[in-house]
Amino acid sequence: EPEVTQTPSHQVTQMGQEVILRCVPISNHLYFYWYRQILGQKVEFLVSFYNNEISEKSEIFDDQFSVERPDGSNFTLKIRSTKLEDSAMYFCASTAATGSTYEQYFGPGTRLTVT
Amino acid sequence: GDSVTQMEGPVTLSEEAFLTINCTYTATGYPSLFWYVQYPGEGLQLLLKATKADDKGSNKGFEATYRKETTSFHLEKGSVQVSDSAVYFCALSTSGTYKYIFGTGTRLKVLA
Repeated sequence: EPEVTQTPSHQVTQMGQEVILRCVPISNHLYFYWYRQILGQKVEFLVSFYNNEISEKSEIFDDQFSVERPDGSNFTLKIRSTKLEDSAMYFCASTAATGSTYEQYFGPGTRLTVT
Repeated sequence: GDSVTQMEGPVTLSEEAFLTINCTYTATGYPSLFWYVQYPGEGLQLLLKATKADDKGSNKGFEATYRKETTSFHLEKGSVQVSDSAVYFCALSTSGTYKYIFGTGTRLKVLA
């Protein structure tokens, strides 16, 4: 069964450093998402991406964040200058179509620890 | 804004016990409702969904009914197994937006 993959599984970085989290969505999917979960808190939407553009973003997704689909398979989330409060589990998701009835397929997550 | 509220965990049950995990929502439109499960070290997997009022989603012995009048989507299973130990997330999605809104997740631990 096709699945969404994410690398690395765990990333430790120092405050102020740039990090890039990588995702490989399911191959025929067209819509891509990033979510994050701070330990003990809700899973929160960050951004959605379609046709090489951001289609929706949350207030969390400020100028420190960016997303890119650099080739036909990868989908990346970049944090330019990490803060302690960016420590969280980051989930990538994809779906074949948009609309509230379509399920999103999630990757296993990348745990980001900012020290 | 739209939101999802789940019962606090962890929930600890003996094998073959009945499970209920409560989920209520607030939404301005007509949301689709989902339950996702996360097993240790894995991603979020769709467990079941319901897209309109009175729909019942079911999978692997789990069920949830979309109750518009009580804005609820409680997850139930008649007889849990040790292998059901995981974190369960309730989520909603409304038309006109791309995002899911999740509850906090409920950790279930089933003891043999």
